[in-house]
Amino acid sequence: EPEVTQTPSHQVTQMGQEVILRCVPISNHLYFYWYRQILGQKVEFLVSFYNNEISEKSEIFDDQFSVERPDGSNFTLKIRSTKLEDSAMYFCASALSGDTIYFGEGSWLTVV
Amino acid sequence: AQSVTQLDSQVPVFEEAPVELRCNYSSSVSVYLFWYVQYPNQGLQLLLKYLSGSTLVESINGFEAEFNKSQTSFHLRKPSVHISDTAEYFCAVGGVDTDKLIFGTGTRLQVFP
Repeated sequence: EPEVTQTPSHQVTQMGQEVILRCVPISNHLYFYWYRQILGQKVEFLVSFYNNEISEKSEIFDDQFSVERPDGSNFTLKIRSTKLEDSAMYFCASALSGDTIYFGEGSWLTVV
Repeated sequence: AQSVTQLDSQVPVFEEAPVELRCNYSSSVSVYLFWYVQYPNQGLQLLLKYLSGSTLVESINGFEAEFNKSQTSFHLRKPSVHISDTAEYFCAVGGVDTDKLIFGTGTRLQVFP
């Protein structure tokens, strides 16, 4: 069964450093997403991406965040200058038609 | 705006007992409803979904959920749970006017032998 894959599974970074989280969505999917889950809290929407542009973003997704689909298969989330409060599990997701979203295993980011 | 309420943060239950995990939502537009499961140290897996049609939907591992529009609920049920069902269960709502999901706070199902 096709699945969304994410790398790295874990990353520890120093505050102020740039981080890139990578995702390979399911191959024929058209909608791409990033969500995050701070430890012990609910899963929160960050951004959705369709037709090579951001279609929707949350208040969390400020100027420190950016997304890119550089080569038609990868979908990346960049955090420009990490803060302690960015520590979370980041989930990539994709969907064919936008009504059923499939999630990856997550990338656990720890900012120290 | 949409929101999801999962009233129970934890549900302890003995193996082979029935269980119901409650989910209520609010939305001003037609909704899609989902249950996702997160096993320890794993990602989110889609358990079942309601998009349209029959209000009773089932998963391959014996869970079912019923969309009740009048009560704005989408409770998850299983008539007989297994130890392996121990996990965090998240209810989520999407809508026809958005491509994002709003998640509830989750319910931790703990199945005891």
